[in-house]
Amino acid sequence: GNSVTQMEGPVTLSEEAFLTINCTYTATGYPSLFWYVQYPGEGLQLLLKATKADDKGSNKGFEATYRKETTSFHLEKGSVQVSDSAVYFCALSGGSNYKLTFGKGTLLTVNP
Amino acid sequence: EAGVAQSPRYKIIEKRQSVAFWCNPISGHATLYWYQQILGQGPKLLIQFQNNGVVDDSQLPKDRFSAERLKGVDSTLKIQPAKLEDSAVYLCASSLSGGGNQPQHFGDGTRLSIL
Repeated sequence: GNSVTQMEGPVTLSEEAFLTINCTYTATGYPSLFWYVQYPGEGLQLLLKATKADDKGSNKGFEATYRKETTSFHLEKGSVQVSDSAVYFCALSGGSNYKLTFGKGTLLTVNP
Repeated sequence: EAGVAQSPRYKIIEKRQSVAFWCNPISGHATLYWYQQILGQGPKLLIQFQNNGVVDDSQLPKDRFSAERLKGVDSTLKIQPAKLEDSAVYLCASSLSGGGNQPQHFGDGTRLSIL
């Protein structure tokens, strides 16, 4: 079945540091890939997505590239801010009903 | 546009009691999802509706969980009787359709604590 493995946290960075959160997946066919963000006490918000190989999703300074050859979708940001502190989830959509399969999440804390 | 609405935000019950959660999706969204998110884990799909029909309920513990979406709009999820391991955040999400490219929009969830 489909599965998503993402880098275990927590990750703690200083403001303006470079961020990478690794995500790899296993899926049959050609899934769509997503990053969701969850701020404390809130539901998940879509951060970015990519629907086919070599697509780059981007939003709010975050980027991720769909790499079919390495089955990866790593999240990056060049300069993090305190307001980026949250839990980040990698997910894929695949199968006959396009069910979302999530990774376990990575807690990011950015210190001033 | 208004987002996905869920209520209540918090619920505390004792084991073996029953509880119900309510979800109102974004207007016009045909597909509705219920997820269970246990602390420290990613959300797990419990049930997916397309309009008022069930598309996937393979991970719903049907001996104690039930869900309905009678008019194809809002939905309720019920647990009866609750067990300690049901302590989790229950998230509702909706999408325009069930297609793979369609993003799911999430509510803020209901945090359930079982004593």
